[in-house]
Amino acid sequence: GESVGLHLPTLSVQEGDNSIINCAYSNSASDYFIWYKQESGKGPQFIIDIRSNMDKRQGQRVTVLLNKTVKHLSLQIAATQPGDSAVYFCAVSPADGLTFGKGTHLIIQP
Amino acid sequence: NAGVTQTPKFQVLKTGQSMTLQCAQDMNHNSMYWYRQDPGMGLRLIYYSASEGTTDKGEVPNGYNVSRLNKREFSLRLESAAPSQTSVYFCASSEAPRYEQYFGPGTRLTVT
Repeated sequence: GESVGLHLPTLSVQEGDNSIINCAYSNSASDYFIWYKQESGKGPQFIIDIRSNMDKRQGQRVTVLLNKTVKHLSLQIAATQPGDSAVYFCAVSPADGLTFGKGTHLIIQP
Repeated sequence: NAGVTQTPKFQVLKTGQSMTLQCAQDMNHNSMYWYRQDPGMGLRLIYYSASEGTTDKGEVPNGYNVSRLNKREFSLRLESAAPSQTSVYFCASSEAPRYEQYFGPGTRLTVT
């Protein structure tokens, strides 16, 4: 199986600062990793994904880093904005479905 | 292009009642999934269908059944609802397993 651990249930950052959200997974056979954003009352929304043949991938204002040696995944959000306030989930795919972490609530301070 | 749609949005059941949650996608995706989300938790996979004609159990399948009606539609059935099934249910679809999953808006189910 797979378990996905959460490092911080809540992260508070100043508007304009960079945010880093971390995730750890247990199954070294996992080969697909994905970050979702969930706003209150809505379904998860895709942010960025990465496969195990890569260690870094960049999107618009977001970067995902994968360290397979220590089984660690992180999401970096540059210049955090009020609209980034949400719960962020990492999810890992050792098989055909996704195993989700419990989520980090990102709070933006003005 | 509606993406993933789910019906109903809200439902209240009494213990022992049955119901079917409906899900449809218009993205021509091959794979579809059902998850549940409990307060303060991540999503847990109930069942999935990697392709039309196939279904497989996920992490928490007990008390549920699924039907992949056609490529577009994937339904989740609770035969005899229990209070432990009170949750928010999300349907998702993807081009194939291990690809980005797109989620519906969810169904909030309460079992009393």
